[in-house]
Amino acid sequence: DAGVIQSPRHEVTEMGQEVTLRCKPISGHDYLFWYRQTMMRGLELLIYFNNNVPIDDSGMPEDRFSAKMPNASFSTLKIQPSEPRDSAVYFCASSLGSRTEAFFGQGTRLTVV
Amino acid sequence: GENVEQHPSTLSVQEGDSAVIKCTYSDSASNYFPWYKQELGKRPQLIIDIRSNVGEKKDQRIAVTLNKTAKHFSLHITETQPEDSAVYFCAAPSSTGSARQLTFGSGTQLTVLP
Repeated sequence: DAGVIQSPRHEVTEMGQEVTLRCKPISGHDYLFWYRQTMMRGLELLIYFNNNVPIDDSGMPEDRFSAKMPNASFSTLKIQPSEPRDSAVYFCASSLGSRTEAFFGQGTRLTVV
Repeated sequence: GENVEQHPSTLSVQEGDSAVIKCTYSDSASNYFPWYKQELGKRPQLIIDIRSNVGEKKDQRIAVTLNKTAKHFSLHITETQPEDSAVYFCAAPSSTGSARQLTFGSGTQLTVLP
């Protein structure tokens, strides 16, 4: 398996634009997590899914953020409209079960100018 | 929810010395404690984990100890090498309600000086 795959690796966008981050979890994993990493706040959980169903989105900062998981092999995190303070590295991770190793993707470095 | 505190935030050691990073957690029901290593510009990767039915686990130069009574767990790296330089994160799961996600500590930047 190629591991968790995220795209794009880097994204530079202008304030106000819509940004869509994509994630393909490891095949067979039933949990998918979206994290945001910044120097100031560290690794923050934004939302997670179990069997494609959103379980806890309390970490989503604002209504500008939304996430979907239409099937077991694909998830998106969308920011609309984007703001400079959204600049961060966004990681997707997946796991088999909730209390086992979470495998992280390579991350998407988002810069909003 | 879970509250995980990690110390120190930065740690510098001489090559060959030992490094210890400590974490405390708040949810007494937590039963799985992983440690992740994140090298500069890369993804976090699991290096060792421990479950609450054991007090210590060792893998070569890395060990983790768990004290459930005191609700703290520690990462020990012996005979440190320059390639151990990275940010290390502890984590603990929250089991309250439907939330079963990992909460990460704030990270420790370990620098091994040659």
